[in-house]
Amino acid sequence: GAGVSQTPSNKVTEKGKYVELRCDPISGHTALYWYRQSLGQGPEFLIYFQGTGAADDSGLPNDRFFAVRPEGSVSTLKIQRTERGDSAVYLCASSPGQGGVSGANVLTFGAGSRLTVL
Amino acid sequence: AQSVTQLGSHVSVSEGALVLLRCNYSSSVPPYLFWYVQYPNQGLQLLLKYTTGATLVKGINGFEAEFKKSETSFHLTKPSAHMSDAAEYFCAVSASGYSTLTFGKGTMLLVSP
Repeated sequence: GAGVSQTPSNKVTEKGKYVELRCDPISGHTALYWYRQSLGQGPEFLIYFQGTGAADDSGLPNDRFFAVRPEGSVSTLKIQRTERGDSAVYLCASSPGQGGVSGANVLTFGAGSRLTVL
Repeated sequence: AQSVTQLGSHVSVSEGALVLLRCNYSSSVPPYLFWYVQYPNQGLQLLLKYTTGATLVKGINGFEAEFKKSETSFHLTKPSAHMSDAAEYFCAVSASGYSTLTFGKGTMLLVSP
């Protein structure tokens, strides 16, 4: 697509429920990133995919968080047993993934999925 | 490891005044530096980036930033603020073209008529 698309744009759930957030990156972008932005904070890195594999998942806060990208395009962030502290805007970004000086990590971000856990 | 400090969570200027948003970074290797802007209910948009070479980089919408290694700074400036510049601005650093971005907490720019 023309941009990075994230669904849903808003999700309200109850504590303890399971949530899935979807990201559709720019066509042809091999790198995909998930960030979390809490109120008053900058985006915080969660996980990075290069193709189908998670190249760096060091930002996932605990084992309740999991992400997949089975075909190297669309990615789903999964949160189990949600807690109130999980409330945030979850941002997805993609990049051509080739890096290097000229293309150094120019990420294109989606508008985010706002998650509210009651 | 990399980190970013943005001084001032809010900066207020009058329309037509100079905009200065401060960013200091910490990096154990030569950094790649970025400024992103976020308008309400929109994704982050790249304003400009520094990788190597010229330390003064120009971006979109009349913004520019200067990489000063001795001061570990990458402040964002614009000579004359416009009402449409009101948004939140994020400074970010990465260790290379292949590593992930670390963001600062952001600075909200308020522009008054």
